[in-house]
Amino acid sequence: SAVISQKPSRDICQRGTSLTIQCQVDSQVTMMFWYRQQPGQSLTLIATANQGSEATYESGFVIDKFPISRPNLTFSTLTVSNMSPEDSSIYLCSVEEASSTDTQYFGPGTRLTVL
Amino acid sequence: QKEVEQNSGPLSVPEGAIASLNCTYSDRVSQSFFWYRQYSGKSPELIMSIYSNGDKEDGRFTAQLNKASQYVSLLIRDSQPSDSATYLCAVNPQGAQKLVFGQGTRLTINP
Repeated sequence: SAVISQKPSRDICQRGTSLTIQCQVDSQVTMMFWYRQQPGQSLTLIATANQGSEATYESGFVIDKFPISRPNLTFSTLTVSNMSPEDSSIYLCSVEEASSTDTQYFGPGTRLTVL
Repeated sequence: QKEVEQNSGPLSVPEGAIASLNCTYSDRVSQSFFWYRQYSGKSPELIMSIYSNGDKEDGRFTAQLNKASQYVSLLIRDSQPSDSATYLCAVNPQGAQKLVFGQGTRLTINP
């Protein structure tokens, strides 16, 4: 499966600021996704990052709060904007390879703490 | 009703026994089903995928799917302390290019 990296691995941020998380894959992939995992909870899909077009957001998530870019088939960014303590979470990117329908592989995650 | 439901546990099993993890889903026409393992502080790791009714075996792991009952399970034979983790069930709803996750079952294997 593809090797996925995320930057940063963790960060502590102040309320009202923004953080951009990067996701890099070592091969071209068809689909990239961004998830949030709040403390002690399961994974919630934020959006699907579409190459060359706007991301597709799930209910409860909006572009102004979580802008996403996907400039090519190996890279995506998620920005958490105007952060509040409620945004403290682990943010995970995942990829779906063309050879494995529906199967997603996850990056190592970014642990965000907002003070 | 949640789309994907799991018993959150914790589930405690003695070493060497069979651990049985269960998952039900609401979308009757779902086609793809996955089990992920997540160690504390780590990201989810794919263990098994299953697409057809019946059993699928991979080493000590067996996934079972019953679409009529909308039920998927994971059996872990000869449980080891290293199997202690949270196990996440994920379902791909029909026509949707995404996964919906259950809340996860925390499994502890006792030496």
